[in-house]
Amino acid sequence: AQSVTQLDSQVPVFEEAPVELRCNYSSSVSVYLFWYVQYPNQGLQLLLKYLSGSTLVESINGFEAEFNKSQTSFHLRKPSVHISDTAEYFCAVPSGNTPLVFGKGTRLSVIA
Amino acid sequence: EAQVTQNPRYLITVTGKKLTVTCSQNMNHEYMSWYRQDPGLGLRQIYYSMNVEVTDKGDVPEGYKVSRKEKRNFPLILESPSPNQTSLYFCASSIPGTTTEAFFGQGTRLTVV
Repeated sequence: AQSVTQLDSQVPVFEEAPVELRCNYSSSVSVYLFWYVQYPNQGLQLLLKYLSGSTLVESINGFEAEFNKSQTSFHLRKPSVHISDTAEYFCAVPSGNTPLVFGKGTRLSVIA
Repeated sequence: EAQVTQNPRYLITVTGKKLTVTCSQNMNHEYMSWYRQDPGLGLRQIYYSMNVEVTDKGDVPEGYKVSRKEKRNFPLILESPSPNQTSLYFCASSIPGTTTEAFFGQGTRLTVV
């Protein structure tokens, strides 16, 4: 079964600084990878996904993630964060009959 | 508007008192599932359903029941809630396949005292 590991449970960062949230997945076979975001008091929503093609995928709010097969990673990055990016971020991968298996989440706190 | 609706959003109950959390989706999705979210543990799947009358256990099914009598509804039933079921619960739906997006409800915060 597939699994994902998010190495950082909490990441504090100052506003306008860059950030990287790390995600590693367990299998070296072809994978599909997802990042979901959970804003305070809300459900999860899809941020971006890698299915095939270009290994660099982008979201509409400036985040990007790069699929790296050799390192089995799918790290999420943003060059300059805003207060509104404060949220919990989950990396996810499909596994068997389960559409998604989630990592434990990384809480991003943007400090003014 | 495409959405997954959970009710109630907040619930406080006592140990042993049966409760049901409802989930409804308006996207005609075959696949529905329930997760619980706990600090430091991320989201863990409780039960899932691949279509009407087809349900299966996820990673943490103990103490929960589900039913799928209609495509749009997937209620979560706690027959005898216990304090260790205090958690934040999410329902999700999607079309079958490993490349599709899952849509989540707003969550139900359950406290069992």
